[in-house]
Amino acid sequence: NAGVTQTPKFQVLKTGQSMTLQCAQDMNHEYMSWYRQDPGMGLRLIHYSVGAGITDQGEVPNGYNVSRSTTEDFPLRLLSAAPSQTSVYFCASRRWDTQYFGPGTRLTVL
Amino acid sequence: TQLLEQSPQFLSIQEGENLTVYCNSSSVFSSLQWYRQEPGEGPVLLVTVVTGGEVKKLKRLTFQFGDARKDSSLHITAAQPGDTGLYLCAVTSGSRLTFGEGTQLTVNP
Repeated sequence: NAGVTQTPKFQVLKTGQSMTLQCAQDMNHEYMSWYRQDPGMGLRLIHYSVGAGITDQGEVPNGYNVSRSTTEDFPLRLLSAAPSQTSVYFCASRRWDTQYFGPGTRLTVL
Repeated sequence: TQLLEQSPQFLSIQEGENLTVYCNSSSVFSSLQWYRQEPGEGPVLLVTVVTGGEVKKLKRLTFQFGDARKDSSLHITAAQPGDTGLYLCAVTSGSRLTFGEGTQLTVNP
């Protein structure tokens, strides 16, 4: 199993550009989530999904959209990138109480 | 106000030393988890504690859940450079997993 995979690993955007961060898992987990990690602020939940077709907002959802058309994929869309969205983004899937994280996408918005 | 307060925020020690890091809250939790995150990677689950007063050991790491289930500690015996990383505690509330800010541990050879 590949576990949780994320692409790209690094990305630089200009303010106002849009992009999609990809996340996929091959463990057939129903629950998936997106976090951002910033220095001094830990990991903060952006959006999560408890199954295909179901998504909900986390702690910091503004500026981000998600969809869950399949169990495997959970993409995160930045609608109009802002410098405040410079961060490291982690996707995760969960089974019972164990959360499995991807390797992260380091995003810089200029 | 953070749900989980971790201390210290940074810790730099020499190989072979012992250390303890803490995760505190004013709330009561049904369970608490500890993760370790190495540079350039995502967090990896180390342990889940569920019972007040519970102690779990993972090789040189000892995890304790407070009697009142409001706090937890992680003790590392004879630290090694491979223990270097960010140690995060986390709790589940409904469908959400909430993390503390973490303790950045550096073990120098």
